[in-house]
Amino acid sequence: LAKTTQPISMDSYEGQEVNITCSHNNIATNDYITWYQQFPSQGPRFIIQGYKTKVTNEVASLFIPADRKSSTLSLPRVSLSDTAVYYCLVGALNRDDKIIFGKGTRLHILP
Amino acid sequence: GAVVSQHPSWVICKSGTSVKIECRSLDFQATTMFWYRQFPKQSLMLMATSNEGSKATYEQGVEKDKFLINHASLTLSTLTVTSAHPEDSSFYICSARDSRWSGTEAFFGQGTRLTVV
Repeated sequence: LAKTTQPISMDSYEGQEVNITCSHNNIATNDYITWYQQFPSQGPRFIIQGYKTKVTNEVASLFIPADRKSSTLSLPRVSLSDTAVYYCLVGALNRDDKIIFGKGTRLHILP
Repeated sequence: GAVVSQHPSWVICKSGTSVKIECRSLDFQATTMFWYRQFPKQSLMLMATSNEGSKATYEQGVEKDKFLINHASLTLSTLTVTSAHPEDSSFYICSARDSRWSGTEAFFGQGTRLTVV
């Protein structure tokens, strides 16, 4: 399992774009990058997943450089409700593979 | 998307009693489910991997006799905290992937808040 490193916390303001970067220097060839969001007293919720280049959905964008040693989750125009912990996970996504969480990034959106 | 449901959402029990937490995959089958615990302001810690029809695999440091896991069907796994003590108070979360596919994300239950008094 590739280890990930993220900032412990970030603050931003409503309406801003927020970028959270995750380092995964020892990512393997068949590893995917997945981001989850967790609100207090709730289970994590899938946000986005990618393998290379750029992935975009209705919630976020994921930028992955060619060497895949890092990735950036981009949240466009955040609101107060985006205050949560964001986890970057790297793994092969086999059905039985363990999902190990790092410390995550605690994002605090200010009014 | 797929739904994983946990029950109960919260439970308060007396020290020394046992508590059972259920984890169900509502619209997919899961041969493997995972159980986590999470303390305040900390990340999720994997406790064990629940395997349908066979014994669970526990992470290092997790007492298998204290945290009993049963995965009797492809849609249900249960975690029983036996002889609970106040230090077992935590947020317990289960997750699962759809057994039919590889390359899919995991789905998480809403969590169960256990308070042992």
